[in-house]
Amino acid sequence: GNSVTQMEGPVTLSEEAFLTINCTYTATGYPSLFWYVQYPGEGLQLLLKATKADDKGSNKGFEATYRKETTSFHLEKGSVQVSDSAVYFCALSDRQGAQKLVFGQGTRLTINP
Amino acid sequence: EAGVAQSPRYKIIEKRQSVAFWCNPISGHATLYWYQQILGQGPKLLIQFQNNGVVDDSQLPKDRFSAERLKGVDSTLKIQPAKLEDSAVYLCASSLVAANTGELFFGEGSRLTVL
Repeated sequence: GNSVTQMEGPVTLSEEAFLTINCTYTATGYPSLFWYVQYPGEGLQLLLKATKADDKGSNKGFEATYRKETTSFHLEKGSVQVSDSAVYFCALSDRQGAQKLVFGQGTRLTINP
Repeated sequence: EAGVAQSPRYKIIEKRQSVAFWCNPISGHATLYWYQQILGQGPKLLIQFQNNGVVDDSQLPKDRFSAERLKGVDSTLKIQPAKLEDSAVYLCASSLVAANTGELFFGEGSRLTVL
C-alpha cells in the first residue's frame, strides 16, 4: 500500500540556518504530494503541495520538489526563523478510489534564537 | 470564515466506557474526514464521508467505532467500548474537493485519554 517515510526528529536548529526535512514515499501510480504543518496549539494546515513530477511547491519561504525518480519530496528553507518551530508532516494522496491522504510520522522542528 | 469546529477538546475515560466526538465542518464542504493521531505518529484516516455517504471506512475498527454524518453537515464519531490503545487525538477535517487535488482543513482535535 501507499506509505510515507520522514526523517527522524526532533530537529533543532539556530535561527537563519538552512533546513532540510527528508521525505520519501511509496505509491502506485502518480500521487499528489503535500507538506502540512502543525504549530503549537493549532490544527494541521497545508503548507505546500505538488501534483505532478518536477513540480515545485512553495509557501512562506519553504520549497519542495516532486522527484519521481527518487520518490522524494524533501522540504527546504534557506533561513529559518523561531516562528517556524512546529511539527511538519509529509503526505500523499493517490488519484484512485477514495483519494485519501496518507501521512508520515511527522518531524518536530525547534528553532533557537 | 469559521474553521472546522470540534468538541470536546479533551476527554478522559476509563476503559470499556463510551465516548462521542462532534465535528462541524466548514460551511459548504462536502467531504468530511475523521483521522486518529496516536502520539508520535502521523494522522491515520478512520473514515471519509462525501455528503452523508461513506466513501472509505476501511481502517475504522467497526467492532467499537462508529461514525455518522446526518444531513451531510455535522458528524459524530463514537467509541464503545474504549480500549487503552484508543488514547489519541481525533482530528476532523473537511474539504471542498478530493484530497489529491485540494486542501484539507483540520480542526484542533479532540484528545482522548483512556485509563
